[in-house]
Amino acid sequence: DAEITQSPRHKITETGRQVTLACHQTWNHNNMFWYRQDLGHGLRLIHYSYGVHDTNKGEVSDGYSVSRSNTEDLPLTLESAASSQTSVYFCASSEAGELYEQYFGPGTRLTVT
Amino acid sequence: TQLLEQSPQFLSIQEGENLTVYCNSSSVFSSLQWYRQEPGEGPVLLVTVVTGGEVKKLKRLTFQFGDARKDSSLHITAAQPGDTGLYLCARRDSGYALNFGKGTSLLVTP
Repeated sequence: DAEITQSPRHKITETGRQVTLACHQTWNHNNMFWYRQDLGHGLRLIHYSYGVHDTNKGEVSDGYSVSRSNTEDLPLTLESAASSQTSVYFCASSEAGELYEQYFGPGTRLTVT
Repeated sequence: TQLLEQSPQFLSIQEGENLTVYCNSSSVFSSLQWYRQEPGEGPVLLVTVVTGGEVKKLKRLTFQFGDARKDSSLHITAAQPGDTGLYLCARRDSGYALNFGKGTSLLVTP
């Protein structure tokens, strides 16, 4: 069965370190998204991609970057982790088209100390 | 980014009770999606509504899209503990990325 996976599921890192969160989908979807979820803020869009070599900034992109070298993967990099980036991160994918469902991964809980 | 307001923020009820949660915006939606998120998991799509006045049913869940396409509601009949979770509404402002409301956290106790 097709799926979307994230790794690691939990990560603790120190302020200033570079961290990369992996997202892998086997749906063969062109669209992929990264969101963060925080109490009081809901889900907020960080970056998204509509295909290989395409990346776009979302609402809260400062301090994050993504690259898309193939259809299946969209890794999210925190260039220099900050305590404000402690959050739960969700990756999602979808087919092109307004009415299509977004399929979410199980999330990565990141703690920056 | 157009704000989506969800209410109530929290709801705690007993098994068998009915409930309604709301999603509102000051601007018109072209379409709206409802997701449910269980603890420790990602959101899962429940329904997409497109047409003003549309009503969709999913077992004990009834979704309504307002006539003016600025609001939507989710009604659960005879809630069960398995309905516990975070209910999120979402819309697309541009492109394919979603703009989410902050959600309604529902707890159904036996």
